[in-house]
Amino acid sequence: GAVVSQHPSWVICKSGTSVKIECRSLDFQATTMFWYRQFPKQSLMLMATSNEGSKATYEQGVEKDKFLINHASLTLSTLTVTSAHPEDSSFYICSARQGAVETQYFGPGTRLLVL
Amino acid sequence: GNSVTQMEGPVTLSEEAFLTINCTYTATGYPSLFWYVQYPGEGLQLLLKATKADDKGSNKGFEATYRKETTSFHLEKGSVQVSDSAVYFCALSLNNAGNMLTFGGGTRLMVKP
Repeated sequence: GAVVSQHPSWVICKSGTSVKIECRSLDFQATTMFWYRQFPKQSLMLMATSNEGSKATYEQGVEKDKFLINHASLTLSTLTVTSAHPEDSSFYICSARQGAVETQYFGPGTRLLVL
Repeated sequence: GNSVTQMEGPVTLSEEAFLTINCTYTATGYPSLFWYVQYPGEGLQLLLKATKADDKGSNKGFEATYRKETTSFHLEKGSVQVSDSAVYFCALSLNNAGNMLTFGGGTRLMVKP
């Protein structure tokens, strides 16, 4: 149980385009989802926290207008990287948890390459 | 603030060697502690956890004991395999901080046959 999927797993796009990444909890209701960014050989950095039906809370230094997060249902959250640039190239990982429990379940990640 | 410090990698071992990856933490309160593993090209998987002092988390031959007196949660395995090659992340969460995860920097383990 507790499976989280992400789609796509890989995306290559041109600079200036927007890219949407989906995060789904497959067998549980995720009241909270988290979006992380991971640069090569580095740890995960929390970008934002989203609760179903409300606006996302962004970490300091993360541009909310560039990284649009929508958590429209208890099983789906989306991250849209708007007007992507090469410096946005990274590995984006989502996680989900049910209620206020401490354990987060992670998706397999989405590797974004902006040319 | 809360923070997690892990030993820097990479850690390179031969198969069947003993593994220790050190992890220490600083927290304002009594955190839960976790070890996550990330295999190449994949997301993170929960390996084990401990929620209170002296608890021992264990899974797949790995174990870690929550040591409040030394604020540590070192990961150990008696005999590593090539398939254990991955990046290991120590993390904490605090109930009074919304159970947000704070990660260490990660330690890359390479096991050679």
